[in-house]
Amino acid sequence: ETGVTQTPRHLVMGMTNKKSLKCEQHLGHNAMYWYKQSAKKPLELMFVYSLEERVENNSVPSRFSPECPNSSHLFLHLHTLQPEDSALYLCASSQGLGMGNEQFFGPGTRLTVL
Amino acid sequence: QKEVEQNSGPLSVPEGAIASLNCTYSDRGSQSFFWYRQYSGKSPELIMFIYSNGDKEDGRFTAQLNKASQYVSLLIRDSQPSDSATYLCAVRNSGYSTLTFGKGTMLLVSP
Repeated sequence: ETGVTQTPRHLVMGMTNKKSLKCEQHLGHNAMYWYKQSAKKPLELMFVYSLEERVENNSVPSRFSPECPNSSHLFLHLHTLQPEDSALYLCASSQGLGMGNEQFFGPGTRLTVL
Repeated sequence: QKEVEQNSGPLSVPEGAIASLNCTYSDRGSQSFFWYRQYSGKSPELIMFIYSNGDKEDGRFTAQLNKASQYVSLLIRDSQPSDSATYLCAVRNSGYSTLTFGKGTMLLVSP
């Protein structure tokens, strides 16, 4: 595997379910990100981790819970979601934080909440 | 509120023409600027980044930055149907590590 991988690629869940999204980066990067992409809206940054420490949390509802056990893996735990949470969830990684660090995206998880 | 504005399009150009994609940003202290290409149903892919005023060329792509006007553009020369995608402008703001994205401009290149 190369680059940034995400599983599952598609997920359908009910509002009472609990599920987790997984992201893994094979680039040796130290920073990882979760973004939400909804139709007709810009990419929205949700969480940023650097060296497994959360450095930014953009007022995301508590029904989204991130976890970064090491610099290669990032999870997004989901519970009691709402239909408006249906979107493409993208993971990204970069070498570090700061000006020269480009972000590389995974293929995304298409989430549908019924 | 830091904003990045793009015309949503679609921008339609014939094959072989120059496509010009534009982006404006609100934070005057922004430091670096990125262009991502996103095919339908796929994730964004980095095409170019630019930090300094002026032009930066990479193959058929040229990024142009004018910090005084808070304006960044992407030119695609000799456009191909395979260039048809949504192009996202992203700005790294002063003092922050994160990117603010525009909504993207859809480009359609007709054969």
